[in-house]
Amino acid sequence: GQQVMQIPQYQHVQEGEDFTTYCNSSTTLSNIQWYKQRPGGHPVFLIQLVKSGEVKKQKRLTFQFGEAKKNSSLHITATQTTDVGTYFCGLNAGGTSYGKLTFGQGTILTVHP
Amino acid sequence: GAVVSQHPSRVICKSGTSVKIECRSLDFQATTMFWYRQFPKQSLMLMATSNEGSKATYEQGVEKDKFLINHASLTLSTLTVTSAHPEDSSFYICSATVGGGYTEAFFGQGTRLTVV
Repeated sequence: GQQVMQIPQYQHVQEGEDFTTYCNSSTTLSNIQWYKQRPGGHPVFLIQLVKSGEVKKQKRLTFQFGEAKKNSSLHITATQTTDVGTYFCGLNAGGTSYGKLTFGQGTILTVHP
Repeated sequence: GAVVSQHPSRVICKSGTSVKIECRSLDFQATTMFWYRQFPKQSLMLMATSNEGSKATYEQGVEKDKFLINHASLTLSTLTVTSAHPEDSSFYICSATVGGGYTEAFFGQGTRLTVV
């Protein structure tokens, strides 16, 4: 099945710095979803991207889907301590397997105050 | 959004015993639920797809006889870890989708299993 590779594995930033995590695939993706998992918590949905070149914003978070639909990124502007957690990209299988997610490796973000 | 409730949140069991984990959709019906396993600082790995009223579909490499899945109703799926061993210690988490315009997966709180 399709796989998504996510980098970096870890990112340590000072509060106020920006943060970006990248998700890449060797094949065209029908969609990409982003989730955030707080330490000790469960993944929480952030966004879904489906269109080539799509850009969506949620306050300080900017999500992009590449023109070729083979990569995606999540950018956080001016990080805050509340941004701490692991960010996952995921591919939703769709069709009769809708909801079945293949996750990237995740990026663990730590923010130093 | 929809709520998925998972119980228990933590469990410690002795090696050789079995542990049952419940996953409930509280405010919607879920014909399909998914079970994932997550090791510390790692990603979520899909173990199986739980199908209401039929057999679960297991991912390659997942032992069916060790991880028994039952989806007897539209709101409940259970995962039983049989004859648990220390290497089965992990974070188990379920998810479900609502459909009807909702695109995201909703996750339970997860179960931290420790086998001693």
